[in-house]
Amino acid sequence: DAKTTQPNSMESNEEEPVHLPCNHSTISGTDYIHWYRQLPSQGPEYVIHGLTSNVNNRMASLAIAEDRKSSTLILHRATLRDAAVYYCILSAPRVAGNMLTFGGGTRLMVKP
Amino acid sequence: ETGVTQSPTHLIKTRGQQVTLRCSSQSGHNTVSWYQQALGQGPQFIFQYYREEENGRGNFPPRFSGLQFPNYSSELNVNALELDDSALYLCAGVNRITYEQYFGPGTRLTVT
Repeated sequence: DAKTTQPNSMESNEEEPVHLPCNHSTISGTDYIHWYRQLPSQGPEYVIHGLTSNVNNRMASLAIAEDRKSSTLILHRATLRDAAVYYCILSAPRVAGNMLTFGGGTRLMVKP
Repeated sequence: ETGVTQSPTHLIKTRGQQVTLRCSSQSGHNTVSWYQQALGQGPQFIFQYYREEENGRGNFPPRFSGLQFPNYSSELNVNALELDDSALYLCAGVNRITYEQYFGPGTRLTVT
């Protein structure tokens, strides 16, 4: 399985943008880049995913490097509710099904 | 709200016993995945069911088994419980078109 590397933790101030990095140097051509987050005492929550192009949705933006070996999840204005563990995951659903391999993730702390 | 519910919320069992955990999706996803999350770690994929058949399995022994019913609800069964089975068990409804997974809140299992 292609693996991802994320910082263990990051801090942000409320209402400021947050850039969460993820390295995935062994990504294959069929791998999608998924981001999930897990708030305390809850199940993981889908955030965003992409293949090659940058993606935007109501929650966040995903910036994918041109060589696809890294990506960045962008929260445009962090709120206290965004404090969570953020997981960057590679998955090839068309090839290997929908299994998600979670790593340790990045614990995002948001300061008021 | 993901529309995925799990029962029970919490459960305490004794080593050697058997347990059944339940999952249902209001959205009727025909694919469901189960994950085990030990304290302080990311979720680990157990298996996935599609159209009532197992359709992918992680590194878990055969004493972990499942069922999916025609209404797409699902069960996770664990026989001969061990202390290390203590964890949060998560199920997720899978959208096979968008690849998004919708997680339930989980069942916290404690084995004593």
